[in-house]
Amino acid sequence: TQLLEQSPQFLSIQEGENLTVYCNSSSVFSSLQWYRQEPGEGPVLLVTVVTGGEVKKLKRLTFQFGDARKDSSLHITAAQPGDTGLYLCAGASSGTYKYIFGTGTRLKVLA
Amino acid sequence: DTGVSQDPRHKITKRGQNVTFRCDPISEHNRLYWYRQTLGQGPEFLTYFQNEAQLEKSRLLSDRFSAERPKGSFSTLEIQRTEQGDSAMYLCASSPGGGQTDTQYFGPGTRLTVL
Repeated sequence: TQLLEQSPQFLSIQEGENLTVYCNSSSVFSSLQWYRQEPGEGPVLLVTVVTGGEVKKLKRLTFQFGDARKDSSLHITAAQPGDTGLYLCAGASSGTYKYIFGTGTRLKVLA
Repeated sequence: DTGVSQDPRHKITKRGQNVTFRCDPISEHNRLYWYRQTLGQGPEFLTYFQNEAQLEKSRLLSDRFSAERPKGSFSTLEIQRTEQGDSAMYLCASSPGGGQTDTQYFGPGTRLTVL
């Protein structure tokens, strides 16, 4: 059974701080996605990474896919209250479009 | 609004009743996914369709669950003889299909409460 474990599970930080969220698995994924979900809404895609070692930046967010394509990280620089939400990673294996979601990291940024 | 829509948004039912949820994907999206999400957890994959064909179904889906996408457009998810453990948010997502990766667009979900 494929599992994606995220850490930390909860994170509460002050505005302006930096943070990193990790997504780890023992399985290899052909692609990995990061989503953000707000209460009462469905997840919204932030980024897709497909190549081992790939780094993508989205404003203050930096995403990295591990060299072996088993893990990923999300780094947020100078966090803002608007970054508050549930961050989810999701991976798909080669030959399938079945996405396995991680356990989630709930982030709260205090003003 | 041309996003993914789900109906109803909330459903409260008594244990043992049947419920049916509807998902309308973004127009011309070939793939449609159903997920279940419990409080504080990530979504769990239930099933997905490529047009009208149901290509994969999770082992989490017992015989009480069935999903259809009869004309390759909207989809329904039915739960028969509901149990309290079925209480969750049921999310639908659609994607254009094609390409190496799949960009899924999620609906707002249907929150089911089984009393």
